[in-house]
Amino acid sequence: QVQLVESGGGVVQPGGSLRLSCAASGFTFSSYGMHWVRQAPGKGLEWVAFIRYDGSNKYYADSVKGRFTISRDNSKNTLYLQMNSLRAEDTAVYYCAKDGMTTVMGWFDPWGQGTLVTVSS
Amino acid sequence: AIQLTQSPSSLSASVGDRVTITCRASQGISSALAWYQQKPGKAPKLLIYDASSLESGVPSRFSGSGSGTDFTLTISSLQPEDFATYYCQQFNSYPPLTFGGGTKVEIK
Repeated sequence: QVQLVESGGGVVQPGGSLRLSCAASGFTFSSYGMHWVRQAPGKGLEWVAFIRYDGSNKYYADSVKGRFTISRDNSKNTLYLQMNSLRAEDTAVYYCAKDGMTTVMGWFDPWGQGTLVTVSS
Repeated sequence: AIQLTQSPSSLSASVGDRVTITCRASQGISSALAWYQQKPGKAPKLLIYDASSLESGVPSRFSGSGSGTDFTLTISSLQPEDFATYYCQQFNSYPPLTFGGGTKVEIK
């Protein structure tokens, strides 16, 4: 079955960096766009970034543009999120999610279990 | 960015009740809308895509309707496992992809 497993979360000081990973299995990873979505404690869902199946197009939320970089390694079936210049407001559970469509952005299905990022001094 | 407004933000209902949640878009999004269910401490789960298409494995008591700016998620007969928070999400115009603020369904 399709499985997404995130890792790399933890506690980091403001201004610091962190790289999240998402290991995918159970589907042809290289055929689907992938997303990162986050959820601050007790809050709703916020889309963070998207990368096209071949890595040729990337989109970001304004709140992370210029600080976060999404990438993928199709040979390793792995999605990444490099997070730099972290702020307290970036504290959240970060989920990776497979896009439900193949050529354009659509819905999220399925989602990983999430990894918690805490930005605090 | 397209804004999605869900109502109500929370509701109390009993097992067996019919529950309706609405999602209004700030501009027309055709049928490019999905619904998710999230239980505490868990990742969201896709219920409905393309406004009314039921995801495989999702019980038929869940249904979605609407197009343009007004959408509805209906649970025909609420079950104990349905108590959760529900989110709508649009994918007509991006970036960004956007979510509604969520509707928490609680036990009466």
